[in-house]
Order: sequence, then structure tokens, then C-alpha cells
Amino acid sequence: GAVVSQHPSWVICKSGTSVKIECRSLDFQATTMFWYRQFPKQSLMLMATSNEGSKATYEQGVEKDKFLINHASLTLSTLTVTSAHPEDSSFYICSVNTGGMGNEQFFGPGTRLTVL
Amino acid sequence: SQQGEEDPQALSIQEGENATMNCSYKTSINNLQWYRQNSGRGLVHLILIRSNEREKHSGRLRVTLDTSKKSSSLLITASRAADTASYFCATGYSNTGKLIFGQGTTLQVKP
Repeated sequence: GAVVSQHPSWVICKSGTSVKIECRSLDFQATTMFWYRQFPKQSLMLMATSNEGSKATYEQGVEKDKFLINHASLTLSTLTVTSAHPEDSSFYICSVNTGGMGNEQFFGPGTRLTVL
Repeated sequence: SQQGEEDPQALSIQEGENATMNCSYKTSINNLQWYRQNSGRGLVHLILIRSNEREKHSGRLRVTLDTSKKSSSLLITASRAADTASYFCATGYSNTGKLIFGQGTTLQVKP
């Protein structure tokens, strides 16, 4: 499987600031990555599909201007939470799609965002 | 939107007992996957079962899939305290590669 890292593992920021989260595929060239958000004691909600070299595809209800996704290389996708507010506080997790018929995904360890 | 519903939402058992979690979904799928998540951590992939398969095993894990009922189950046999975690089913779609997660089952295994 793929080894996926995220940076930072946690971040605390003031309301109104922007935060960038990195997702790296360490041993697999990923044309597709996914970004999820998870609120406490809830399941993962898919936010967007990150496509290398093209625009991300956002799920319904996710503001593309607020959650900027850049997938500039086969090993790195970034999620920038712009003008963060307390309601954006959540656990953000990325995954790498290794393709194939099963589309098995491998997940990063997650980033805990707290907006004060 | 979430596709899968899981039950029970929470399960508490003694070490050595078996744990069964169920997942139901609404639309046709390419595959169904089960993941484990320890508190505050990332997800660990457990098993993938394709839509043309009915049962798969991996160590102490057994997964079944009934596409006519749009349901799947995960059985953990001879549970251990280390199995304490949240378990999620996720339905996969071949055309997009997306995974849509169920609500999850929180399993507590008491030593």
C-alpha cells in the first residue's frame, strides 16, 4: 500500500487567518487524492477530489473558495482553509487512491485544526 | 452525503468474545471497504470486498457482502483489548474512486 503523511499534525490559529495542510504520498505517485473532514464523534465527510495538474472536484455544499486545493505534483496535495472560523475546527484527513478495480485508499494520519 | 448506515452505533464486549458490525447502503457499488480508526488517529484499511464477492477473510476478520440486501457485516473473532476503536464501512465507486463512509461503530473490548 501507499504511505501517506500529513503536515502539520495539529494547528491552532486565530479566526480570520488561513491555514495550509499538506498531504504527501511518500511511495506512490498519486494522480488522485481525496480530502475528508471529520467532526468529533462523527464519520468522515468527503470534501473534494484532488486531481494532479487540474482543478479539484468539490462535493456539494463545500465552498471551493474557502477550501483551496492544489495538487501540483504526483506526491503532494495541499488544502488551504482560508479565513478560518471556529466552525472550521475539525480533523482533516487526506487519502491516496492507488487505483485499480478496487480503488483502495490509504489515509494520512490527519491534521487537527483548532480555530480560536 | 453519507451512504452507509452502521449498526450498532456502539458495542461493548469482553475480551475473547466476537464482535459483529453491520453496514447498509443505498445505491449500487463497485466495492465495499472496512476501516479502523483509533481515537484521534488516521484510518487503517482492513478489508476490501468487491461487488461480485460474498465473503472475505483476513486473520480474525470476516467480511460478508449481500448485494441483494445492500448490506455488509464485519465479524471480529476472539476480540482483544487492542481491537478497541471505531470501525467504518465505506462504499466505493469505480468511475470516480470515491469512498463514501458510513456512520461508524464504536467498539470497546474490555480486558
